[in-house]
Amino acid sequence: AQKVTQAQTEISVVEKEDVTLDCVYETRDTTYYLFWYKQPPSGELVFLIRRNSFDEQNEISGRYSWNFQKSTSSFNFTITASQVVDSAVYFCALSETNTGGFKTIFGAGTRLFVKA
Amino acid sequence: SQTIHQWPATLVQPVGSPLSLECTVEGTSNPNLYWYRQAAGRGLQLLFYSVGIGQISSEVPQNLSASRPQDRQFILSSKKLLLSDSGFYLCAWSVTGTGYNEQFFGPGTRLTVL
Repeated sequence: AQKVTQAQTEISVVEKEDVTLDCVYETRDTTYYLFWYKQPPSGELVFLIRRNSFDEQNEISGRYSWNFQKSTSSFNFTITASQVVDSAVYFCALSETNTGGFKTIFGAGTRLFVKA
Repeated sequence: SQTIHQWPATLVQPVGSPLSLECTVEGTSNPNLYWYRQAAGRGLQLLFYSVGIGQISSEVPQNLSASRPQDRQFILSSKKLLLSDSGFYLCAWSVTGTGYNEQFFGPGTRLTVL
């Protein structure tokens, strides 16, 4: 069965600090997809990144970077030089091929507080 | 560009009353559609998904139901609400085909059952 664990419930940092959000997943599939979403206080989830299981290259997008390590079943998300606007709940998610990818499992989320 | 709408934004309903939440998508055809529920301080739970008109897959047995009467319309219903139905309901869409693509979420409906 698939499972996504975000062990960090809440993280609090001061602006300009770097912060890493951890995500560990479990799956029996060899082909799967991982996602990160951001949920600001308004409530609407915003897609950040999708990564398939065959692509272990790390990705950087501005202040955001993602580290995918299949060997440890982790897909961690780092925000560099955090800003107050980064304050949100961040969700890691997993879709497996055996369900056509429709049954996306979300982690419990990590709430990030960035203080000015 | 694609837009997803949900209404109402907030709803307070008594236990035992019916429910109807609506979601519509603009700017795309034959999307995959999803209903999620988020309990306070929790992650998202997939309730239903649909790959086409009239095609509904239920993920969690409960007193909720979903319907897709039109290509870009997805409705979540209940005949009798329970206290445990309180939560934040999110509708999402993804491009047609497999579900591996990223999902785009609506603004959500905050439901309180009293």
